[in-house]
Amino acid sequence: DAGITQSPRHKVTETGTPVTLRCHQTENHRYMYWYRQDPGHGLRLIHYSYGVKDTDKGEVSDGYSVSRSKTEDFLLTLESATSSQTSVYFCAISESLAGSTDTQYFGPGTRLTVL
Amino acid sequence: GQQVMQIPQYQHVQEGEDFTTYCNSSTTLSNIQWYKQRPGGHPVFLIQLVKSGEVKKQKRLTFQFGEAKKNSSLHITATQTTDVGTYFCAVPNQAGTALIFGKGTTLSVSS
Repeated sequence: DAGITQSPRHKVTETGTPVTLRCHQTENHRYMYWYRQDPGHGLRLIHYSYGVKDTDKGEVSDGYSVSRSKTEDFLLTLESATSSQTSVYFCAISESLAGSTDTQYFGPGTRLTVL
Repeated sequence: GQQVMQIPQYQHVQEGEDFTTYCNSSTTLSNIQWYKQRPGGHPVFLIQLVKSGEVKKQKRLTFQFGEAKKNSSLHITATQTTDVGTYFCAVPNQAGTALIFGKGTTLSVSS
């Protein structure tokens, strides 16, 4: 497996609180992605990054923000968590300038529950 | 907008039976990728198809890319309990900046 870690692995929080999820890679890959996975919806892209401080929105970006200050770290922030954001969040990385045509390597996931 | 449909959503088979999942796109694709996710795990890359009509095999798994590059299939021969999981196809978005995943086919196998 590629060197990708996510923290925390599990989190329970209350509606209205801010939450930050961290993705850390040791592969020096340029591209990093955040997905959410929900039953019946598969994997949906939230945000992605194509370099340090370069990010863009995905399919379901409302209510989420991201930051990438270092190549190895990609943070996902829920400014004010809602119950609809209860999900499993996966970080992924890919290697080269080809971006989406490259293999994506996924982290172990973070299970977030918003009460 | 761009869509990728994957069928069936669920499939249960007896061990030893064959299994096929299909992925269909509304647009012509430059490539398609397949991933497998074991229960409780994360998606793991299986293969990428690029050429029209391409067929690739990995042991009991056969992957095919349609002639028109709008559909693909994954066929497993003689399923085993280790094949259990969800199989996803993934295609590039129109901008070529990210992947769009199908909703997946969840395979269960009883022995």
